[in-house]
Formats: sequence, C-alpha cells, structure tokens
Amino acid sequence: QSALTQPASVSGSPGQSITISCSGTSSDVGGYNYVSWYQQHPGKAPKLMIYDVSKRPSGVSNRFSGSKSGNTASLTISGLQAEDEADYYCCSYAGSSTLLFGGGTKLTVL
Amino acid sequence: QVQLVESGGGLVKPGGSLRLSCAASGFTFSDFYMSWIRQAPGKGLEWVSHISSSGSTIYYADSVKGRFTISRDNAKNSLYLQMNNLRAEDTAVYYCARGLTYYDILTRRTYYYYYYMDVWGKGTTVTVSS
Repeated sequence: QSALTQPASVSGSPGQSITISCSGTSSDVGGYNYVSWYQQHPGKAPKLMIYDVSKRPSGVSNRFSGSKSGNTASLTISGLQAEDEADYYCCSYAGSSTLLFGGGTKLTVL
Repeated sequence: QVQLVESGGGLVKPGGSLRLSCAASGFTFSDFYMSWIRQAPGKGLEWVSHISSSGSTIYYADSVKGRFTISRDNAKNSLYLQMNNLRAEDTAVYYCARGLTYYDILTRRTYYYYYYMDVWGKGTTVTVSS
C-alpha cells in the first residue's frame, strides 16, 4: 500500500483560509468514512484534529474542518493563525484493520 | 493526567532485536485499543500495529509482519513492541498511542476506536545501523 498523497507544502497569511488535500483510492479514502487528520509541531507528538472525516475532538478549534469527496479528503483551516504552522497528516482506514497515513503537508503561515 | 511514556529505544545493529515499552497513566488502560506508529527521520507517519483492549485482536503493517510483536499487560498498564530482525529502514521515532473513545448520549454507549488516536506519547528513538 502506498501512502496517501498530500501536497508537500501549503502557505497562507494570517486570517486567510487554506485547504490541504489528501488523495487515496477506493480501497481507503473513497471506501470508508474513517478519515482523520493530525497536526504535528516540530519535535512534538501528533495531535488528533479531525476524525470521521469531519468531526472535531473536544478542545479542537472550530477553525478546523474536514470533508471528503470521492477518493479525496480535505482539511480546511480558516482564520489562519501563527500557531497553526505545523505539519499535517491525513490518515485513512484501508481495510483489513489497517491504517494508511499521508506523506504530510508543511503549513507555513506567512 | 492522561500520559503515555515510551522507553527502550536505542542503537542496534541490523538483524538485532529491541523491545519497546509504553507506560500508561491517568486512564483505565484496559479499556482502550493501543497502537504503535513510527516516523522515520524527516519522513511521515507510518502505522505499525494495534492491539485490542484485551489483547486478543492484533494487526500489523505488512512492513513489520513476522518481525514485530505487539503485546500488553493490563495489570501493569503497559504496552510493548518486540522488534526482531531489525533493518535500517526500521530506524524511526516510535510512538505509542491510545485509541479514541466516543460516548453516545442517545444510546448511552461508549465506542472504542482503533483507527483514531487521541493520546500520544513523546516517542522513543530506534536507530538500526552497523
């Protein structure tokens, strides 16, 4: 299984909105509504930001939202803030109780 | 507070073995799915393995199947990863992580997920090199 495909980097200015895509196949992203997103700051452990495609765990800002269309999932961050600068990873259930992560996207807040 | 602390990482030669441990605290460890996820230097995350709350159900990524063994001791609130026949490509930071739970108010049921991880440790570094 190959990693899910994410853009290597995205950038935006404070206050703007950005969207990170996560492309898979019908065997993973497209086949199940079990997509999640993780935020990872340098040298830190990942943090769950979105699960079940679009749900937010308690404590996660509503500036973070998720969606899915076909084999592609997306994470949108609105009202961009400096502390949002981090790496973001998508993750999908891939059948047979296995998980597949994306290659990661580095978000730069200009 | 809820905490996961990994240990056991280090430098090992190709073909060698290592056993990682993860000590859990601040929650009822025996209720939760647990996972190992790794991250090679400068690379993305890779799911390695997960184990059910009782330890009866276990799954592995193809890249480690037959070489790694996940286990848990609920009496000791601990998760383990026995890694044998290590290769250079196993070099990574290894994180243990807890599966997400969700309480449905309407059904008054708690759902336990293994495919979402809501608590992560800080990781332990494994380096495989001669």
